[in-house]
This record gives sequence, C-alpha cells and structure tokens, in this order.
Amino acid sequence: EIVMTQSPATLSVSPGERATLSCRATQSVATNLAWYQQRPGQAPRLLIYSTSTRATGVPARFSGSGSGTEFTLTISSLQSEDFAVYYCHQYNTWHTFGGGTKVEIK
Amino acid sequence: VQLVESGGGVVQPGRSLRLSCVASGFTFSGSTLHWVRQAPGKGLEWVALISHDGKTEYYAESVRGRFTISRDNSKNTVYLQMNSLRPDDTAVYYCAGEVNWAWFDHWGQGTLVTVSS
Repeated sequence: EIVMTQSPATLSVSPGERATLSCRATQSVATNLAWYQQRPGQAPRLLIYSTSTRATGVPARFSGSGSGTEFTLTISSLQSEDFAVYYCHQYNTWHTFGGGTKVEIK
Repeated sequence: VQLVESGGGVVQPGRSLRLSCVASGFTFSGSTLHWVRQAPGKGLEWVALISHDGKTEYYAESVRGRFTISRDNSKNTVYLQMNSLRPDDTAVYYCAGEVNWAWFDHWGQGTLVTVSS
C-alpha cells in the first residue's frame, strides 16, 4: 500500500499570506495526485487533479505541483474561506489519502 | 450533481448494516463509485470501489472480507453491506463518484455509523 504523508499537520497563516502544503508518497505515483478541501461539517471538495489541474470553479490562487513522490499545494493569498483541512489523494495504485493539513488563522 | 447517503445509525459490535447512496445529475452508469470513511476527528480513509459495470470491486485491507460494495444502475444507487462491525468502523461514510478511474469528482454529504454496545 502506498502511504501518503502530509506536512505540516497544522499550518497557521494570516489572511492574505501564502500557504504551502506538502504531500509525500512512499513510492512513485507519477502525477496521479489530487487535492481536496474539507471545511468543518462538510464533505470534501475536489480542488486539484493530475497534480496541477484545477477543478471547475476553483480559484486561481490554488496551485499544485510535483511528481513522483513529492507534491505541493500552494494557496497564494489566503482568503477567509480557505481556512480548512486539505487532503492529498493518490490514485496511481488503488487509492490512499494523506492524513491532512489543517490551515488555521494565525 | 447530487449524492445522498442513507442507512447510518447506531449498531452493536458484530452486527450488520447496509448503507445506500442515490445519485443524480451525472451519468451514474458510466461512473466508478467509491465509499470513503472518516472517523470522528480523523482523516479520510478509502474503503471500497465498484466499477461502472459492477464487474470490478476492490476493498481496503481493513474491511476486506467484512464489507461488500454493490450497485444497481437501474436505480442510480450504490450500496455498502457492512458485516461483523467493530467499534473502529465508527465513522462518517461518504460515497463518491468519478469517471476517469482516478480522482473523485463528486461527493455525498455522508452518513454516520456508530458501532457501540
């Protein structure tokens, strides 16, 4: 099983600042990686797929990069609605999720 | 697009429960369907998938042999039969749909399963 590790577990950021979230896989997943946002009490929402493609309606301040075993989600200028938990998801070999990164207000 | 789960509740350890998820607004019969769960205060855990035609099923190791996923394309519904439930199966169970054998485009709002005596 491919294990996905996200860091940091919690990220404290001020509104308007940049946030950088990391996701690491125990073996290569090529670019078969997605990111989801989950707000409290809500279902996850697809943000990014194929490492760097934004889903429909996702603002341009969200961007993804990486390949193989190292991936990054960047939020260029945090808005109030962006404070949430973010999960990476590899679908190269069946499916596994990372443990999540909580982005909180500093 | 809408996915609506039902069937959750409180169940004793060792008992069974069947979850349902009814879909609308997308091509259900062309979609792979998944169940994903989230224990209270924890992250997401993929549980099972079933291919668009029902011919392929796959399960996480933690539920293999206890849970069975199935679908009825005539009813736009996917099911999760959960047997021999354990307290660590307590979670919100989400169904999710996708068309690319890849990322999950659509998610339901989830149904809570609590396994407790």
